[in-house]
Amino acid sequence: GAVVSQHPSRVICKSGTSVKIECRSLDFQATTMFWYRQFPKQSLMLMATSNEGSKATYEQGVEKDKFLINHASLTLSTLTVTSAHPEDSSFYICSARDRSGQPLQYFGPGTRLTVT
Amino acid sequence: KQEVTQIPAALSVPEGENLVLNCSFTDSAIYNLQWFRQDPGKGLTSLLLIQSSQREQTSGRLNASLDKSSGRSTLYIAASQPGDSATYLCAPGRAGRRALTFGSGTRLQVQP
Repeated sequence: GAVVSQHPSRVICKSGTSVKIECRSLDFQATTMFWYRQFPKQSLMLMATSNEGSKATYEQGVEKDKFLINHASLTLSTLTVTSAHPEDSSFYICSARDRSGQPLQYFGPGTRLTVT
Repeated sequence: KQEVTQIPAALSVPEGENLVLNCSFTDSAIYNLQWFRQDPGKGLTSLLLIQSSQREQTSGRLNASLDKSSGRSTLYIAASQPGDSATYLCAPGRAGRRALTFGSGTRLQVQP
């Protein structure tokens, strides 16, 4: 089956620094990738939709200048949390939709971000 | 805006019981609906995908049904095992919107 990887799996950073999270589709091409955020004991909330070669579409309430998304190729999307604060500590999960048009999204294993 | 509700929020049962997890959604204009499993601190594992034209899907001990018109889906787990302990999430995929909307999940604990 299709595999999506994320790197790193865990990251701890100091307040005010920036952190980059990578999402890769390993064996398929993804024109669209999605970034979700999950706080403890809560469900996944969509942050943004990332389209290859174009600007990301952000959900209401998500700061595009704080959460920078780049989808430079059909297999890689990156999320950069800029000037991180403790309230940004969360579980970030990406998913990728197969370019072939199948209605499935394949999810990455998630990245646990802790901002101290 | 799609809103997804899952009932119960938490469930603890002895091993061997048959279970029903419920999911309701407010916008019936869905393309499909997926059920996922999430283990603590982990990502999502897709369990079942039901297309909007289907009534149910089965995989092993799992059976998911969909009543699109009433905005409901159920996940039936037969003969539960301790290894089934996890959070189960339902996510309808709305027509015209490719992202998924997730329910808050049902946290299942199966006691040995």
